[in-house]
Amino acid sequence: DQQVKQNSPSLSVQEGRISILNCDYTNSMFDYFLWYKKYPAEGPTFLISISSIKDKNEDGRFTVFLNKSAKHLSLHIVPSQPGDSAVYFCAASFLYNTDKLIFGTGTRLQVFP
Amino acid sequence: GAVVSQHPSRVICKSGTSVKIECRSLDFQATTMFWYRQFPKQSLMLMATSNEGSKATYEQGVEKDKFLINHASLTLSTLTVTSAHPEDSSFYICSAPRPGQGSDTQYFGPGTRLTVL
Repeated sequence: DQQVKQNSPSLSVQEGRISILNCDYTNSMFDYFLWYKKYPAEGPTFLISISSIKDKNEDGRFTVFLNKSAKHLSLHIVPSQPGDSAVYFCAASFLYNTDKLIFGTGTRLQVFP
Repeated sequence: GAVVSQHPSRVICKSGTSVKIECRSLDFQATTMFWYRQFPKQSLMLMATSNEGSKATYEQGVEKDKFLINHASLTLSTLTVTSAHPEDSSFYICSAPRPGQGSDTQYFGPGTRLTVL
């Protein structure tokens, strides 16, 4: 059972525009959500996170929104840059074990000039 | 620079052989390390939690006798895929959290691409 889902396997956005990556989860007990960026043949790198007590967290060009009632989070990247082209994973964890991450299936973002 | 390394980055082996993958934390001590597996176009799936000085904890459906984990020191965990078969071909990634800092600072290794012929 996939507890964290990313229903869009790929997304293509023009440079300078906004990229919106979506993630849904089924377990209401998740307390912490993270986004990771992954380049081919490399491990994921942490991008941004949000606690379940918040609904928004912003870091530069990256903003994560959390809608707990809908069990949905999204990552906004604005403005998008070609270097943002990668696979983005959302992940969730529990407060009692924040190191154990449950990952979504990933969305491949391509930013074209 | 990288704070978690994996070796080898790529390995090709014959069916029936065993393959050892090393995961090292380079500038911090990791009492816990995690092993993930990623099949093409699928998510990173947690396989097991490696605990220094004690037995690993395996996720449901992961065969502990097939995927042997040894966390012999505070900077090294090894995953041995025993009697590998083609269906074990995958991308294996380890991660290690920096102590006391939670999920944000969980560092991932670059991964090991295993191909079993």
